[in-house]
Amino acid sequence: AQRVTQPEKLLSVFKGAPVELKCNYSYSGSPELFWYVQYSRQRLQLLLRHISRESIKGFTADLNKGETSFHLKKPFAQEEDSAMYYCALSPLNTDKLIFGTGTRLQVFP
Amino acid sequence: DAGVTQSPTHLIKTRGQQVTLRCSPKSGHDTVSWYQQALGQGPQFIFQYYEEEERQRGNFPDRFSGHQFPNYSSELNVNALLLGDSALYLCASSSGTGTRLYFGPGTRLTVL
Repeated sequence: AQRVTQPEKLLSVFKGAPVELKCNYSYSGSPELFWYVQYSRQRLQLLLRHISRESIKGFTADLNKGETSFHLKKPFAQEEDSAMYYCALSPLNTDKLIFGTGTRLQVFP
Repeated sequence: DAGVTQSPTHLIKTRGQQVTLRCSPKSGHDTVSWYQQALGQGPQFIFQYYEEEERQRGNFPDRFSGHQFPNYSSELNVNALLLGDSALYLCASSSGTGTRLYFGPGTRLTVL
């Protein structure tokens, strides 16, 4: 079964603390993986995708095929990082996205 | 460019009724995908339209149908509404395959 699991519904940290949002996936093959973010009163938008191997707004995510994980990390959280974060995978040769249930990140001052 | 636009922003229907939701893609985009997001859940893929045809479909019953027009805009139709169809319906557009999706603000459907 193709599935994305985000075990934490809510993650609360203080400004300046490291952040790790967990994502595990189930897929027999090599999917394409993404992190999407939704800030308050804004639409869902792409944060980063694993094939780009880029850092966006200080966030990085490394694909671990052995652990089937794609955790999102940031060394020093900022208040403006507070948002809903969704991990998603796209099966090979499709354009559809399979989303996790999301993790709400709260960064306190 | 206003990006992806959806209408209406919200609506209320009763069980058994039919509903049509509309989406205009971002300028330059030719592919439209629809997602259903129930409360507390991530978006679920309904289907994708390209060149006025349904190209891919998720695990949704035939009550969910769609259409894409020559100007690339799209409609999502849901027949015989059930209480469980209450959700936020998201439209996303892209240019070709394997490219970045841009999401609209969504239409909030409530079925009473």
